[in-house]
Order: sequence, then C-alpha cells, then structure tokens
Amino acid sequence: GDSVTQMEGPVTLSEEAFLTINCTYTATGYPSLFWYVQYPGEGLQLLLKATKADDKGSNKGFEATYRKETTSFHLEKGSVQVSDSAVYFCALSIGNYGQNFVFGPGTRLSVLP
Amino acid sequence: DTGVSQDPRHKITKRGQNVTFRCDPISEHNRLYWYRQTLGQGPEFLTYFQNEAQLEKSRLLSDRFSAERPKGSFSTLEIQRTEQGDSAMYLCASSFWTGDEKLFFGSGTQLSVL
Repeated sequence: GDSVTQMEGPVTLSEEAFLTINCTYTATGYPSLFWYVQYPGEGLQLLLKATKADDKGSNKGFEATYRKETTSFHLEKGSVQVSDSAVYFCALSIGNYGQNFVFGPGTRLSVLP
Repeated sequence: DTGVSQDPRHKITKRGQNVTFRCDPISEHNRLYWYRQTLGQGPEFLTYFQNEAQLEKSRLLSDRFSAERPKGSFSTLEIQRTEQGDSAMYLCASSFWTGDEKLFFGSGTQLSVL
C-alpha cells in the first residue's frame, strides 16, 4: 500500500544550522507531496507542497523538491531558528480526487539557542 | 475564517462507556476528514466526507466507531463501548477541493480511556 517513511528523530540543532529531514514514499500512481508542521499545543498546518515531479515547494525558508526518480521529498532549511522547533510530518495524497492522505510518523526538531 | 474547531479538547472516560466528539470545519469547506494520532506517530486516516456523504472508511474503523455529517456542516465521531486501545488524539481536518488539496486541521480531542 501507499506509505511514507521519514528519518527518525529527535533532531537537535543549534540556531543557524542547516536542516535536512529525509522523506521517501511508496505510492501507486502519482501522488501530491506535502510537509506539515505541528508546533507545541497546536494543530497540524501545511508548510509546503508539490504536486508533480521536479516541483519545488517553499515556505518560510523551507524547501523540498519532488524527486520521482528517488521517490523522495526531503525537507531543507539553510538556517534554522529556535521558533522552528516542532514536529514535521511528510505526507502524500492520492486517489482520483486527491482525497487519500497518508502521513509519515513525524520528526521532532529541537533548535537550541 | 475561524479555523477548524473540535470539542471537547480532552475527554477522560471509563472503559465500556460511549463518547462523542464534534468537529466544526471551516464553513465553506466541503470535505471533512477524521484521523487518529497516537504518541510518536503520524495521523492515521479514519473516514472522509464529501458534503454529507461518507465516501470512505478505513479498515481501522471498527463497528464501534460511527461518524456523521448531517447537512454537510459539522461532524460527530462516536465511539461505543470504549477500550483502552482507543486512547489517542482524534483529529478533524477540512478542505475545499478545487483540485489543489490542502487540509486544515483542528487542534484535536485527546481521549483517555481508563
């Protein structure tokens, strides 16, 4: 079945460090890919998305590129801030109307000042 | 746009009791989803509505679980004869499908079954 795999956390970085969170997927068909973020005490919110191969999603300094050949959608940020501390979820959507979402297990990021 | 709201935020119940959760989606959204999330895991799909029609249910959803969305507005998720394994965060999400899917999540209802 469709699935999403993420690198295990927690990930602890110093402020201004470079961030990579790996995500790979397995899907039948051509999914859309997403990164959602969950800040402490809040609901999940969309961070960025890409709907087809080679698309790059970006938001708030975060980027991810849809790599069909490696079935990957790795999240990157050049310089993290303390306020980026959160849990990050990679997800895909598939189905005739894009209605079937599958989430990865999440990666907890802690950024230290 | 007041966002997706869920009620209650927390629910503690004894095993064997019935519980009901409510979700109010963003008003113009025609799709509504229920997910379950346990500690250290991502959300797991439970069921999905388009307007008032329940179009898909996960195999995870046993017959003790039932969801409704009367009139295509708010939704309720009921769990009958709760078990300790039902303890989890229950998340609601909504979207307005235009071919560009984007889910908006509520803060969830944390269920603890004692």
